[in-house]
Amino acid sequence: DAGVIQSPRHEVTEMGQEVTLRCKPISGHNSLFWYRQTMMRGLELLIYFNNNVPIDDSGMPEDRFSAKMPNASFSTLKIQPSEPRDSAVYFCASSLPGTGVEKLFFGSGTQLSVL
Amino acid sequence: QKEVEQDPGPLSVPEGAIVSLNCTYSNSAFQYFMWYRQYSRKGPELLMYTYSSGNKEDGRFTAQVDKSSKYISLFIRDSQPSDSATYLCAMTPTDKLIFGTGTRLQVFP
Repeated sequence: DAGVIQSPRHEVTEMGQEVTLRCKPISGHNSLFWYRQTMMRGLELLIYFNNNVPIDDSGMPEDRFSAKMPNASFSTLKIQPSEPRDSAVYFCASSLPGTGVEKLFFGSGTQLSVL
Repeated sequence: QKEVEQDPGPLSVPEGAIVSLNCTYSNSAFQYFMWYRQYSRKGPELLMYTYSSGNKEDGRFTAQVDKSSKYISLFIRDSQPSDSATYLCAMTPTDKLIFGTGTRLQVFP
């Protein structure tokens, strides 16, 4: 199994630009999570989906952030417009049916730098 | 105050040492406790998983949970250079996983 696949691995953009991060979960996993990791705040849950439906988006920082999961094999996290404080590593994770939120499989992350 | 507190380290130990990593938490509703390991430029991977109080052993790794003290620990015996990574504790009541900020461990030969 290829694991959770994220793209791009690195993204450098200028303030005000739109950024789209992509994720392909492990086949058969029905829950998908977007996390953000910074040195100061650690790993923070932004949003998670169950069976393609957003369940909890309370961690999304503000309206500039949006996430979609049009089907079971693809999700996007969009930031528009981007700001320097959005610079972080963004991780996508997925989990098997019935395992709850505990046993997550993470991708390798997208390193986002907003100049 | 954060719900989960973890010393960021770094913790540097010689090969073969016993390593103790710890987290404290404030939410008494937490029932599931995990340790994730994160290598540089990689995503976290699940290392140990414990439900409620008690000990769990897996090879060189032992996880302990003391709910009365709201304190969890991960012990690594006979530490190896390949154990060098950041270790994140994580916990949840049921619906949302809360992570500590991670402790960076360096095991030198």
